[in-house]
Amino acid sequence: AQSVAQPEDQVNVAEGNPLTVKCTYSVSGNPYLFWYVQYPNRGLQFLLKYITGDNLVKGSYGFEAEFNKSQTSFHLKKPSALVSDSALYFCAVRDINGNTGKLIFGQGTTLQVKP
Amino acid sequence: DTAVSQTPKYLVTQMGNDKSIKCEQNLGHDTMYWYKQDSKKFLKIMFSYNNKELIINETVPNRFSPKSPDKAHLNLHINSLELGDSAVYFCASSQVSGRARTGELFFGEGSRLTVL
Repeated sequence: AQSVAQPEDQVNVAEGNPLTVKCTYSVSGNPYLFWYVQYPNRGLQFLLKYITGDNLVKGSYGFEAEFNKSQTSFHLKKPSALVSDSALYFCAVRDINGNTGKLIFGQGTTLQVKP
Repeated sequence: DTAVSQTPKYLVTQMGNDKSIKCEQNLGHDTMYWYKQDSKKFLKIMFSYNNKELIINETVPNRFSPKSPDKAHLNLHINSLELGDSAVYFCASSQVSGRARTGELFFGEGSRLTVL
């Protein structure tokens, strides 16, 4: 079965410092991987995805993620965190069973950026 | 223009009542989904329709009944509401087939259901 895991419930960083939110995946075959952000009382917003190609993927709001096949990881990164980046972040993998487009989400990581 | 819109945003109701949540997408996508987010923020797929055909029906009580009158609309009706149904329900859409398929899902703002 496919799955993603986000090992940290919460990540705390100081504004201006680099941030990393971790995600590891378990799939058979080539994974389609995604990151989403959820602000309080809002829906999920798409940040970036890896389908194929360059292992470093750039997305919205200055975020990027690195696909690492040997470590089965897809960590989300940003060189310089902003207080406004504080939110709940979800990693997801596309279900390869059937052509439903269904995404399987990790449990989420709360990012707290302090001034 | 809102891409995926759900109504109502908030629902407060008594146990045993029946309620519906409506969703519409104007992205021209062929597939729509209902996800449930529980109090621990965990997201779980409930249903999916592709061009009005049910393609995902996860282990959900049959008090929950989705309906898709056309590919731009997906509604969720819940009968005999229970306390455990309290959650945020998200509608989403994506383009699954054809040259325009992208992979990512586009989400609505959510409908927060509180059962008293």
